[in-house]
Amino acid sequence: GAGVSQSPRYKVAKRGQDVALRCDPISGHVSLFWYQQALGQGPEFLTYFQNEAQLDKSGLPSDRFFAERPEGSVSTLKIQRTQQEDSAVYLCASSLAQGYEQFFGPGTRLTVL
Amino acid sequence: SQKIEQNSEALNIQEGKTATLTCNYTNYSPAYLQWYRQDPGRGPVFLLLIRENEKEKRKERLKVTFDTTLKQSLFHITASQPADSATYLCALGGNTPLVFGKGTRLSVIA
Repeated sequence: GAGVSQSPRYKVAKRGQDVALRCDPISGHVSLFWYQQALGQGPEFLTYFQNEAQLDKSGLPSDRFFAERPEGSVSTLKIQRTQQEDSAVYLCASSLAQGYEQFFGPGTRLTVL
Repeated sequence: SQKIEQNSEALNIQEGKTATLTCNYTNYSPAYLQWYRQDPGRGPVFLLLIRENEKEKRKERLKVTFDTTLKQSLFHITASQPADSATYLCALGGNTPLVFGKGTRLSVIA
């Protein structure tokens, strides 16, 4: 059906709050990626799932960041005790497999006050 | 560490001309390179993928070249239109996750 969807589109959090960002990938896409994009920069890799397995989390900036994809479809990126430097757009992308074109969602713009 | 440079932050050209965007990289041997388009407030949209053993790829008005000796990719938009105005991102891929450049903001002026 439709492309990759993300919710919420915008999130404002007070410093120290926990947030959860959701990604609905394209049905049937095995690979799912999370990226962080700061203003004026390209997307930076955070983590990668192949089905429900998290194969690479080398880009997660700290142990406050956690991602899951328990049933191999929907994924959630959780940020605990948010800090101002976490403010960015968080993009989710899915693909048939790694190495193929990636389909991006619209992103969630997180602002931490 | 891996480094990707896209030629300029912003590029202005006149409608009808060919836009040429450059992507240079160091400390990396990618198996493939991708180009994406990103409009404000939206996620990137895939345009083209070119593999290390390919010299050139075309799709409609788009052309991408890949020179692994120079460590450079050129992205061309021929007969440019105002609707082509957007930020264009190059991304390197292989055994590691995709690494994106900062992007070049293209403005096509009517």
